[in-house]
Amino acid sequence: EPEVTQTPSHQVTQMGQEVILRCVPISNHLYFYWYRQILGQKVEFLVSFYNNEISEKSEIFDDQFSVERPDGSNFTLKIRSTKLEDSAMYFCASRNSWSSYEQYFGPGTRLTVT
Amino acid sequence: TQLLEQSPQFLSIQEGENLTVYCNSSSVFSSLQWYRQEPGEGPVLLVTVVTGGEVKKLKRLTFQFGDARKDSSLHITAAQPGDTGLYLCAGPRVGNEKLTFGTGTRLTIIP
Repeated sequence: EPEVTQTPSHQVTQMGQEVILRCVPISNHLYFYWYRQILGQKVEFLVSFYNNEISEKSEIFDDQFSVERPDGSNFTLKIRSTKLEDSAMYFCASRNSWSSYEQYFGPGTRLTVT
Repeated sequence: TQLLEQSPQFLSIQEGENLTVYCNSSSVFSSLQWYRQEPGEGPVLLVTVVTGGEVKKLKRLTFQFGDARKDSSLHITAAQPGDTGLYLCAGPRVGNEKLTFGTGTRLTIIP
């Protein structure tokens, strides 16, 4: 069964460093998302991406964040200068088409900023 | 103000009992998804309900979408220890595609 994959599973970085979180969405999916979940809190939307453009972003997704689909399979989230409060689980999700509401999530990357 | 409130927040019952988890909002949703999330893992999609009043069954799990598409419920019959986990409802509000997640219900089934 096709699934969303994410690497790395755990990333430890120092405050101020750049990190890139990688995702491989399900192959025939067209819509891509990043969400995050701070420990003990709800899953929160960060950004949606379609047709090589950001279609929506939350107030969390400030200038320190960027997304890219560098090739036909990968979808990345970059945090330029990490802060302690960026520590969270980051989930990538993908969806097939506009007519399908179902988003499928990857296993997540645990980001720890020290 | 929580957009999607789930109740109860915690539920611990004996194996074999029935239970219902609720997901409520004052907003209308295009659909509602139910996910199950294990510690340190991503949410796993269980079901999507789209039409107001829709009922879907997945073995011992029954999902219902409210007529006004503002609420949903998950009913588990004869709960098993394998049902233990965190259950999340989530949905895109009408005119939106991002998922808004509920507050979660942590279910524990005692053997």
